[in-house]
Amino acid sequence: EVQLVESGGGLVQPGRSLRLSCAGSGFTFDDYAMHWVRRAPGKGLEWVSGISWNSNNKGYADSVKGRFTISRDNAKNSLYLQMNSLRTEDTAFYYCAKDRVGILTGIDNWGQGTLVTVSS
Amino acid sequence: DIQMTQSPSSLSASVGDRVTITCRASQSISSYLNWYQQRTGKAPKLLIYAASSLQSGVPSRFSGSGSGTDFTLTISSLQPEDFATYYCQQSYSTPFTFGPGTKVDIK
Repeated sequence: EVQLVESGGGLVQPGRSLRLSCAGSGFTFDDYAMHWVRRAPGKGLEWVSGISWNSNNKGYADSVKGRFTISRDNAKNSLYLQMNSLRTEDTAFYYCAKDRVGILTGIDNWGQGTLVTVSS
Repeated sequence: DIQMTQSPSSLSASVGDRVTITCRASQSISSYLNWYQQRTGKAPKLLIYAASSLQSGVPSRFSGSGSGTDFTLTISSLQPEDFATYYCQQSYSTPFTFGPGTKVDIK
């Protein structure tokens, strides 16, 4: 069974940084691309970033480009999201998600999410 | 960036009803279109990928169709567990944008 467990969320002040982690299990982690998706309170889903199986291809939403960095460590079956210069509008549940294949196509499994609150 | 729209934004339906949700892309995305269901307080769940392929384990009452810019998700006979919000997402090019969602609730 695929399991994706996010960690690292919490309360942070505007302008500060936070690093999210995601531990994957139940599948061969380095065979699949991975994504981060968020949902702000009362709003819909927003794709944040994605990374191919070998880290050669990465993509970002315009709203986070230049502030967020996605990375992965296949030896540790882990996905990361480094979030810098955080803004109040970054407040959301952040979901780690697995792609159907090794390149960026579409998501087939999701974690339960971790809450990031950006507030002074 | 490719913009995704959905209609309606919400609908009320009864158990057993046939429900259709429409998704439109701002440019052609071939068949790179996915549908997700999100129940309150739960993680999203993949229903349909590549516009019309049913994800493993998803009931056959769910179906998808379309290509290019116009797509449809159909629930042939609405069940109590189907009351949720449904999102389309294009995976043609990054950023992989979602539609705004369609909330299906009980009439």
